[in-house]
Amino acid sequence: NAGVTQTPKFRILKIGQSMTLQCTQDMNHNYMYWYRQDPGMGLKLIYYSVGAGITDKGEVPNGYNVSRSTTEDFPLRLELAAPSQTSVYFCASSEGGGQPQHFGDGTRLSIL
Amino acid sequence: KQEVTQIPAALSVPEGENLVLNCSFTDSAIYNLQWFRQDPGKGLTSLLLIQSSQREQTSGRLNASLDKSSGRSTLYIAASQPGDSATYLCCYGQNFVFGPGTRLSVLP
Repeated sequence: NAGVTQTPKFRILKIGQSMTLQCTQDMNHNYMYWYRQDPGMGLKLIYYSVGAGITDKGEVPNGYNVSRSTTEDFPLRLELAAPSQTSVYFCASSEGGGQPQHFGDGTRLSIL
Repeated sequence: KQEVTQIPAALSVPEGENLVLNCSFTDSAIYNLQWFRQDPGKGLTSLLLIQSSQREQTSGRLNASLDKSSGRSTLYIAASQPGDSATYLCCYGQNFVFGPGTRLSVLP
């Protein structure tokens, strides 16, 4: 099993551009999450989903959008990139809300 | 607002030592607590998850405890090895609030 796969691994954007960070999992997990991690900081939850068609905001949702049309995929969309969104983005999944989370290797995003 | 803190921020020990990492949280509501390790440039690996009804979990040389009344969790690593060198993060709360992590270096 591949687990949680994130693409791309690195990306540089210009201010105002848009992009989608891809996340897919092959473990048939119901729950999926998007986090961002700034240097020297812990992770902050952006959005999460408890199943296909259901999404909810986390601690820092502003500037981001998500969708969950299938169990496997949970893409994160940045519409108007801003320098404050420079960060490392991690996607995770879990079987349920009280189960261990499995993480992808992250997408390192720089906005200049 | 839920806050999670971790002490110490960094720790350097010689190989073979037993060590304790601390995690504190402000929300005393009943949630699970999870410990992770993060290697440089990598994602997080789940180490231990303590369910809200439990007080501790053990896996190999790792033992984690949870005391909701005091808002604290500890991760105990026995007989540390150089391969344990990583950043250790705890996560607690309804919105999965992470602490900033403890950067551990185990010297050969």
